[in-house]
Amino acid sequence: GAGVSQSPSNKVTEKGKDVELRCDPISGHTALYWYRQSLGQGLEFLIYFQGNSAPDKSGLPSDRFSAERTGGSVSTLTIQRTQQEDSAVYLCASSLVQSTNYGYTFGSGTRLTVV
Amino acid sequence: DAKTTQPNSMESNEEEPVHLPCNHSTISGTDYIHWYRQLPSQGPEYVIHGLTSNVNNRMASLAIAEDRKSSTLILHRATLRDAAVYYCILRGVGGSQGNLIFGKGTKLSVKP
Repeated sequence: GAGVSQSPSNKVTEKGKDVELRCDPISGHTALYWYRQSLGQGLEFLIYFQGNSAPDKSGLPSDRFSAERTGGSVSTLTIQRTQQEDSAVYLCASSLVQSTNYGYTFGSGTRLTVV
Repeated sequence: DAKTTQPNSMESNEEEPVHLPCNHSTISGTDYIHWYRQLPSQGPEYVIHGLTSNVNNRMASLAIAEDRKSSTLILHRATLRDAAVYYCILRGVGGSQGNLIFGKGTKLSVKP
């Protein structure tokens, strides 16, 4: 597609349930990134994929968070046993390559609300 | 990771130029200077980036000091749509420095 697509755009879930957030990067972009942004806060880096592998998972907040990428394209961020502090906007970005000389294109995000 | 320092907020009048400063005194020779902006309720948007020379594109200009310890994002004629948080970020090689690490940025307000 023309841009980075994320789904769903909004998700309300009950505390303790598992959720899956999806990201479709720009076709041909090899690098993919997940961030989250809590209300009124800055962007927090979660994980980065190069192809299907994740060289940098340093930002995942706990073992309840996991992510995968298949076919060098779609990525899924899974949050198990959701907690209220997981409520945030989850943003995905992609880049043609993982290079400091390239910019990122961000999606519009998934707003997750845990009740 | 190399750090950047930006003012928390700035104000501008519509149709006037805006100069957004960024200090990065610990920049290394291979760090690129990237600028992104985030409009309300949207994901961040790439604005411009550079290494040593000044850069221009349809959105903005980036002026980089000769010693590279500071840079300035220039919006030539601010519009109401330019009201956003502007992030100045250094991207270096290796490890997490290759990823964009966002700070607090500068919140730009544009008055009609």
